[in-house]
Amino acid sequence: GAVVSQHPSRVICKSGTSVKIECRSLDFQATTMFWYRQFPKQSLMLMATSNEGSKATYEQGVEKDKFLINHASLTLSTLTVTSAHPEDSSFYICSAIRDTNTGELFFGEGSRLTVL
Amino acid sequence: QKEVEQDPGPLSVPEGAIVSLNCTYSNSAFQYFMWYRQYSRKGPELLMYTYSSGNKEDGRFTAQVDKSSKYISLFIRDSQPSDSATYLCAMKKGAQKLVFGQGTRLTINP
Repeated sequence: GAVVSQHPSRVICKSGTSVKIECRSLDFQATTMFWYRQFPKQSLMLMATSNEGSKATYEQGVEKDKFLINHASLTLSTLTVTSAHPEDSSFYICSAIRDTNTGELFFGEGSRLTVL
Repeated sequence: QKEVEQDPGPLSVPEGAIVSLNCTYSNSAFQYFMWYRQYSRKGPELLMYTYSSGNKEDGRFTAQVDKSSKYISLFIRDSQPSDSATYLCAMKKGAQKLVFGQGTRLTINP
């Protein structure tokens, strides 16, 4: 069964509004979670690394004021797309490492954002 | 040059065929190698995980890592239409972030 849950799976919003996406680790604690963005027929692009209790680490070219990440607990990280625009429409996927010894990474189901 | 190269396909084979998916990489420091399966509009699902060189088998799936050649493979035996998906290879060194291949789109024809 799923070990990482992501919600909502689909969201449609108007341009200029903000959207929050939640990522939960279901049966383990995750000090680190990752947020990816995926365009159609493209691979995953790492946006940021979310660290519990501290600021997220953003990849080059990703606007931290645009994509707000909060990792307030060991089982929950949230990504908020602020003042969304149509170009922010994409598939957003979170992931978490269940076993830090092996480093196996498990993904959520993804959230499809459409900005009108 | 990308760190991880993967032929995007598409690859189309008849049901029951053996499928071979491959990735090459340039960073000899990579230690952990993974294969993910991603269905359309879904998040990637971890299929196989391998540490260092060698083979690993799980049901119809076999993962191979050849560090000397910097080459990894995923074999699918007795392929089924339900195996139709995009397959992504991924690898990393230690605690560093995962590096993904582009993904190969596979279709198994009944």
